[in-house]
Amino acid sequence: EPEVTQTPSHQVTQMGQEVILRCVPISNHLYFYWYRQILGQKVEFLVSFYNNEISEKSEIFDDQFSVERPDGSNFTLKIRSTKLEDSAMYFCASSEVAGGLSAEQFFGPGTRLTVL
Amino acid sequence: QKEVEQDPGPLSVPEGAIVSLNCTYSNSAFQYFMWYRQYSRKGPELLMYTYSSGNKEDGRFTAQVDKSSKYISLFIRDSQPSDSATYLCAMGNAGGTSYGKLTFGQGTILTVHP
Repeated sequence: EPEVTQTPSHQVTQMGQEVILRCVPISNHLYFYWYRQILGQKVEFLVSFYNNEISEKSEIFDDQFSVERPDGSNFTLKIRSTKLEDSAMYFCASSEVAGGLSAEQFFGPGTRLTVL
Repeated sequence: QKEVEQDPGPLSVPEGAIVSLNCTYSNSAFQYFMWYRQYSRKGPELLMYTYSSGNKEDGRFTAQVDKSSKYISLFIRDSQPSDSATYLCAMGNAGGTSYGKLTFGQGTILTVHP
């Protein structure tokens, strides 16, 4: 069964460093998303991406964040200068469409980011 | 008022019980609804997806949506210890300026004991 994969599973970094989190969405999906979950809190939307453009972003997704689809399979989230409060689980998700009858979003296993 | 409210529990039931999990929401623009199961420090696993009011059944799981009351439910029949997890409701609206953003509830922690 197709699934979303993410690497690395755990990333430890120093405050101020750049990190890139990687995702491989399900191959026939066209919409890609990043969410984060701070320990003990709810899953929060960061950004949606379609047709090589950001479609929608939350207030969390500030200038320190960027997303890219560098090739036909990978989808990345870059945090330019990490802060302590960026420590969280980051989930990638993908869907065939953005709304309607086939809008199911499938999530990857997540990358745990620890900022020291 | 929060956009999506979900009782965090924890909820503890004996094996074989029927479990009822619920979410309420305030944004009438939400059109589609999902239930996810999340094990500790893992990614959310999609259980049910519904697009309209009414019931949808899949094995031991039934999802119920009442858009007039802004209330959704997930029922688990014949619960098993392996159902022990956090259950997340999520919802989204299609069209306009929305491109698939899901809004999640807090999650309900469920324990099914043998």
